Amino acid sequence: QKEVEQDPGPLSVPEGAIVSLNCTYSNSAFQYFMWYRQYSRKGPELLMYTYSSGNKEDGRFTAQVDKSSKYISLFIRDSQPSDSATYLCAINSNTGNQFYFGTGTSLTVIP
Amino acid sequence: GAVVSQHPSRVICKSGTSVKIECRSLDFQATTMFWYRQFPKQSLMLMATSNEGSKATYEQGVEKDKFLINHASLTLSTLTVTSAHPEDSSFYICSASTDGATQETQYFGPGTRLLVL
Repeated sequence: QKEVEQDPGPLSVPEGAIVSLNCTYSNSAFQYFMWYRQYSRKGPELLMYTYSSGNKEDGRFTAQVDKSSKYISLFIRDSQPSDSATYLCAINSNTGNQFYFGTGTSLTVIP
Repeated sequence: GAVVSQHPSRVICKSGTSVKIECRSLDFQATTMFWYRQFPKQSLMLMATSNEGSKATYEQGVEKDKFLINHASLTLSTLTVTSAHPEDSSFYICSASTDGATQETQYFGPGTRLLVL
């Protein structure tokens, strides 16, 4: 079983829609959860970073961690064409430099 | 804050030549830097983890003699692709962890696109 599983999509939504991106993970010891956005031919950009369970909001983006289900989500409200990119979830254990990345979900927001 | 740069952004070289890619953390000290490779429409593939002042740790299947990594300072790591061949053509991305006890996140550079003719 992979440490992190992410549906690769592609996901296509109309402008203004609410987008839900999800990942599941296998090890309950994971404590640090990240979402990155990667535009085509660019390096990933850190969007959201959460420690342990709960929600974190930043503008139109909300990151949610459910440790009991080992499930993390990124919600994008009022999606814009500029949100079209690949979104990667990432997880770090609290016992050293072990990072695990999802395969990325490709999102297209149609004007 | 937490800006990582890479140079060059794009390089084209002839088969058999060596190519050096630099990765710099501009506004923080990075104890650990990571080198990734990414093929079109695929996810990141970790090649090696580099700690300042020590030898890099390579992932299984990555040739350490072909992909030379040097992490001489807390703000600079270099990846040298030696005797490059067309199959080495790819997008190479570095990232850096902020200095700290848990190094809980990574900040990525913009990537270097390598084309070997």
